[in-house]
Amino acid sequence: QVQLQESGPGLVKPSGTLSLTCAVSGGSINSNTWWSWVRQPPGKGLEWIGEIHHGGNTNYNPSLKSRVIISADESKNQFSLNLISVTAADTAVYSCARVYCSGSSCNFDYWGQGPLVTVSS
Amino acid sequence: QSALTQEASVSGTVGQKVTLSCYGNSNNVGTYAVGWYQQISQGAPKTVMFGNSLPSGIPDRFSGSKSGTTASLTISGLQPEDEAHYYCSTWDYSLNVRLFGGGTKLTVL
Repeated sequence: QVQLQESGPGLVKPSGTLSLTCAVSGGSINSNTWWSWVRQPPGKGLEWIGEIHHGGNTNYNPSLKSRVIISADESKNQFSLNLISVTAADTAVYSCARVYCSGSSCNFDYWGQGPLVTVSS
Repeated sequence: QSALTQEASVSGTVGQKVTLSCYGNSNNVGTYAVGWYQQISQGAPKTVMFGNSLPSGIPDRFSGSKSGTTASLTISGLQPEDEAHYYCSTWDYSLNVRLFGGGTKLTVL
């Protein structure tokens, strides 16, 4: 059973950088899967932020691409999200998730709980 | 940027069969398998369907299907604990994004 656990500050100042880490247990990030970040503003729906593959390949949501970096640390079996120049619109629950691929189709299978990150001075 | 469209709300009574829909196009639903995710009271999403495959631990009253550019999640024998928001998701090769639908609020009457 794969488990994912996010960690990081719950409060970030406007124009600052939001940084979160997702620790993976019960499975290796050095596997043929994608590791993803998803966010959900309070009272709203889910938004995909981006993902990383163990080979270092990344995909980002074009709407956030200029501000996002997703990286992985295989030695610690974890991956991270950095979102720069944040505003109040970036206030959301940020969840990490595993993307499982079967053939050419990939979908989320395991999810973290996700902390609420508030952007406020 | 919700290129996947879902009903805003669906309701049903205990024991009834309900179907939730996810409308897309040939760049997404028409090409790739669709995942379905249950979210209860803004908690962590839970995968209830992967294409038409049932993840381990999910009751077999849940089933998935697809016809053209429309994917569906059917719950046969609705239970009170099924009340939740349900989101569909898949890849879009034209936009190069992993899309979510806007979500359907399922109410069990």
